Amino acid sequence: DIVMTQTPLSLSVTPGQPASISCKSSQSLLHSDGKTYLYWYLQKPGQSPQLLIYEVSNRFSGVPDRFSGSGSGTDFTLKISRVEAEDVGVYFCMQCIDLPLTFGGGTKVEIK
Amino acid sequence: QVQLVESGGGVVQPGRSLRLSCAASGFIFNSYTMHWVRQAPGKGLEWVAVISNDGNNKYYADSVKGRLTISRDNSKNTLYLQMNSLRAEDTAIYYCARELWGYEILTGFDYWGQGTLVTVSS
Repeated sequence: DIVMTQTPLSLSVTPGQPASISCKSSQSLLHSDGKTYLYWYLQKPGQSPQLLIYEVSNRFSGVPDRFSGSGSGTDFTLKISRVEAEDVGVYFCMQCIDLPLTFGGGTKVEIK
Repeated sequence: QVQLVESGGGVVQPGRSLRLSCAASGFIFNSYTMHWVRQAPGKGLEWVAVISNDGNNKYYADSVKGRLTISRDNSKNTLYLQMNSLRAEDTAIYYCARELWGYEILTGFDYWGQGTLVTVSS
């Protein structure tokens, strides 16, 4: 199974400041079709996860442009340019290059 | 708009069975691969199973293989998870989720239901 490792475990951010979350996979997520199957989700308190970023860097419909994804191969980063109060929750990365689909352990983001 | 509504969760004794349902609306259900994902209380996410849009292809996590069965009824726009021989470690919120790119597989999830809680306890 592909192991997804996220850091840090938690993050406390002042509103308006940037935040960055790292996700590393135990195998390359680059497929022979040229796509890289790395996704980012946010689970707000008491809610189900919501898709933020697909295929490393594509923002899903309705996701604010303060969210951006980058990376390649096995190393990926989610950045929030200016954290807002509504961004609190747990962020997960997920790989979809192979079954079983696997998730990172999550990064809890809170506001200072 | 896309809606996924799970039901069927509850408290069940170890070794017993339960069937979860996920009612879909707001999209063409039979055009989408569907998944079940679970989350133990206070823990991370674990993918459980996937079924192709036509129901012909199914894959499972090793932890549930032989005990949980995914199925769908496209005439009813409903996804199911039959859970047999339940164990304490199956205690979790179970979410259904829709494949991002329709009938493709392994392209991620775009929409998730609100989840239904299954508690396995004597």
